[in-house]
Amino acid sequence: KAGVTQTPRYLIKTRGQQVTLSCSPISGHRSVSWYQQTPGQGLQFLFEYFSETQRNKGNFPGRFSGRQFSNSRSEMNVSTLELGDSALYLCASSLFPLLAGVVNEQFFGPGTRLTVL
Amino acid sequence: AQRVTQPEKLLSVFKGAPVELKCNYSYSGSPELFWYVQYSRQRLQLLLRHISRESIKGFTADLNKGETSFHLKKPFAQEEDSAMYYCALFTGNQFYFGTGTSLTVIP
Repeated sequence: KAGVTQTPRYLIKTRGQQVTLSCSPISGHRSVSWYQQTPGQGLQFLFEYFSETQRNKGNFPGRFSGRQFSNSRSEMNVSTLELGDSALYLCASSLFPLLAGVVNEQFFGPGTRLTVL
Repeated sequence: AQRVTQPEKLLSVFKGAPVELKCNYSYSGSPELFWYVQYSRQRLQLLLRHISRESIKGFTADLNKGETSFHLKKPFAQEEDSAMYYCALFTGNQFYFGTGTSLTVIP
């Protein structure tokens, strides 16, 4: 079974631009979560999508948005890029939505390294 | 507010020695705790979760609600255990990760 894939793997943008990152989950997985990883803040949860609906959201500004398609592929968009948005963006897929009490493993992708100049 | 604290950024132990990676959390509800591991040049992956009460690769972790801790332990460290370890808390709608502990097992 193919793992989670993310495209592109590397991206360089300038301040003020916008960017779209893509995540293809493991076949059959319907939940996709996004995370931002930086040296200063570590791993931070952005949001989770399940069946094309955003279920959960972390503490990020509205410039960060996402969507999920009917084939479970997900995109994340960041508008009006700031220098502080430079990070590794990880996505993770799971069979079920993230729910308390449910044994449900997340599988992570390799990440997209975004650099904002 | 910091939800998950891993006090050690770096930890070195000798092969065969016991290892303990500390994790403390802050959450008033019923916590679900996890340990994730990232080996060199590999993806982040789940190591174990407290609700499964499992032992993976010789590692165990016990949730101590009184001390709000979920320390990861292994009685005899192996060289292949060298990796970055992250403790994570799931609150039912969000994941909170600690900043990670880099474990080096010295041969």
